Amino acid sequence: GAVVSQHPSRVICKSGTSVKIECRSLDFQATTMFWYRQFPKKSLMLMATSNEGSKATYEQGVEKDKFLINHASLTLSTLTVTSAHPEDSSFYICSARAHGNTEAFFGQGTRLTVV
Amino acid sequence: KNEVEQSPQNLTAQEGEFITINCSYSVGISALHWLQQHPGGGIVSLFMLSSGKKKHGRLIATINIQEKHSSLHITASHPRDSAVYICAVDNNDMRFGAGTRLTVKP
Repeated sequence: GAVVSQHPSRVICKSGTSVKIECRSLDFQATTMFWYRQFPKKSLMLMATSNEGSKATYEQGVEKDKFLINHASLTLSTLTVTSAHPEDSSFYICSARAHGNTEAFFGQGTRLTVV
Repeated sequence: KNEVEQSPQNLTAQEGEFITINCSYSVGISALHWLQQHPGGGIVSLFMLSSGKKKHGRLIATINIQEKHSSLHITASHPRDSAVYICAVDNNDMRFGAGTRLTVKP
């Protein structure tokens, strides 16, 4: 089946720094990628949807200047958490979908800890 | 009411037991996913279903589109199956259940 690779799987950073998370589709062209966040003991929540070559569409309450999403190619989307704070510590996961395809494939997720 | 309801929320079983986790949803979907999340947080995609039944090793997933219901079964459960199992429905937007925390005791 199709593979989505997310990197890194874990990252610890200091407050005030920025962290970039990559999501790559390894064997298909991902025209749409989704970024989710999971709060402790909560379900996954959609943060934003990005289409290749377009600006991301953010869900209500998600700061677009805080969580920068770039989907510059059909195989790579990045989520950058800027000026990270401890409350940004969370589990982030991406999923990817090919054009005209109803199937979505998930990355393995990234555990971010901001200290 | 959540669009995706999972039950039970928590489940403890003895090794070897047959496990069933249920997922009901209230929206039209193109596919349903079962995900496994390990204690470290890593997500593994177990199944993607749009109809019928799929089997992979000791795992079986079924879906009834008319009843808007899916079940995940684990046969001969093992402590390494301990994880959170998440149901997600795909109708262009993905909607997630709250997850079922499974603990299998030796």
